[in-house]
Amino acid sequence: NAGVTQTPKFRILKIGQSMTLQCAQDMNHNYMYWYRQDPGMGLKLIYYSVGAGITDKGEVPNGYNVSRSTTEDFPLRLELAAPSQTSVYFCASSTAPPAYRYFGPGTRLTVT
Amino acid sequence: ILNVEQSPQSLHVQEGDSTNFTCSFPSSNFYALHWYRWETAKSPEALFVMTLNGDEKKKGRISATLNTKEGYSYLYIKGSQPEDSATYLCAFLSPDTGNQFYFGTGTSLTVIP
Repeated sequence: NAGVTQTPKFRILKIGQSMTLQCAQDMNHNYMYWYRQDPGMGLKLIYYSVGAGITDKGEVPNGYNVSRSTTEDFPLRLELAAPSQTSVYFCASSTAPPAYRYFGPGTRLTVT
Repeated sequence: ILNVEQSPQSLHVQEGDSTNFTCSFPSSNFYALHWYRWETAKSPEALFVMTLNGDEKKKGRISATLNTKEGYSYLYIKGSQPEDSATYLCAFLSPDTGNQFYFGTGTSLTVIP
């Protein structure tokens, strides 16, 4: 099993550009999550999904959108990138709570 | 938004020393607590899932305890080794938060050979 995979690993965006961060898992987990991690801060939940076709906002959803058309994939879209979105983004998946998260390797995004 | 606090923020110990750090969380409406180990340039890896007051979990030299009535969990590392150097995160889940685990900012441990 590959577990949770994310692409790309690194990306530099200009202000106002858009992009999609890809996330896939092969563990047949219903629950998937997107987190961002800023220096000195804990992981903050952006969006999550409890199954295909179902998504919900987390703690910091502004400026992002998600979709979940399949169990395996959970892409995160940034519209109109802003410097405040410079961060490391982690995708994760799990079975139902309180199961722990399996995290992907992360995407380091810089917006300049 | 709930407060999950970890202390100390960072810790340096000598190889062979035992150490412990704390995760504090709201004591009302507890559901679960996770501990993760996060090495630099890698992604967090789960250590323990704790759900019951008085829980004690152990994995090798690492163990954790849980006190839901007073709102804290301790992580212990016995005989620290350089490979234990990492950031240790806790995450708290309450029925009040739905599916959202709130993460602490972590304790950064450096074990000096």
